[in-house]
Amino acid sequence: QKEVEQNSGPLSVPEGAIASLNCTYSDRGSQSFFWYRQYSGKSPELIMSIYSNGDKEDGRFTAQLNKASQYVSLLIRDSQPSDSATYLCAVKETGGFKTIFGAGTRLFVKA
Amino acid sequence: NAGVTQTPKFQVLKTGQSMTLQCAQDMNHNSMYWYRQDPGMGLRLIYYSASEGTTDKGEVPNGYNVSRLNKREFSLRLESAAPSQTSVYFCASSEIASVGELFFGSGTQLSVL
Repeated sequence: QKEVEQNSGPLSVPEGAIASLNCTYSDRGSQSFFWYRQYSGKSPELIMSIYSNGDKEDGRFTAQLNKASQYVSLLIRDSQPSDSATYLCAVKETGGFKTIFGAGTRLFVKA
Repeated sequence: NAGVTQTPKFQVLKTGQSMTLQCAQDMNHNSMYWYRQDPGMGLRLIYYSASEGTTDKGEVPNGYNVSRLNKREFSLRLESAAPSQTSVYFCASSEIASVGELFFGSGTQLSVL
């Protein structure tokens, strides 16, 4: 059973701080990794995709991938109260069409 | 710019009743998916359709059937609803299945009594 593991949180950070969200996965051959944001009562929204080792930056968001350690992370700089949400890590399985999701980390940004 | 549209948004069923959840996308995507989301368990894949004319089981297909009616529409049917199927159901689409970037509908809150 392929798995994606996340700390459920909640992770609480003050406004303006860096929030660091982490994820590990079991499928060693996976090549595609995603972060989704889900506000309470809403549907998941794709915020970052990463396919190669290293960092990928998009505005205040940075995704980091280390395939050797099977580890993906999301950094949110200058965190805002509007960033308060559940962040879902997702991994596409090797050679197939399924995307497996972690259970999500709840983030609270305190004003 | 509707994206992915799901109906209904809310539904209450009695055990044993049947119903169909409808999903349509207007992004000309090839692949469509049905997920369920339960507290503490994240999103679990029920069925998917990598391309028009194909459907395959996901992680939790038991008790469900699907139909890829055309490129735009992908329906999920519960033939005999059970309380264990109480959940939030999300339809999603992606341009091509091999990429995996998913766009979600707004969800259906289903309660089975």
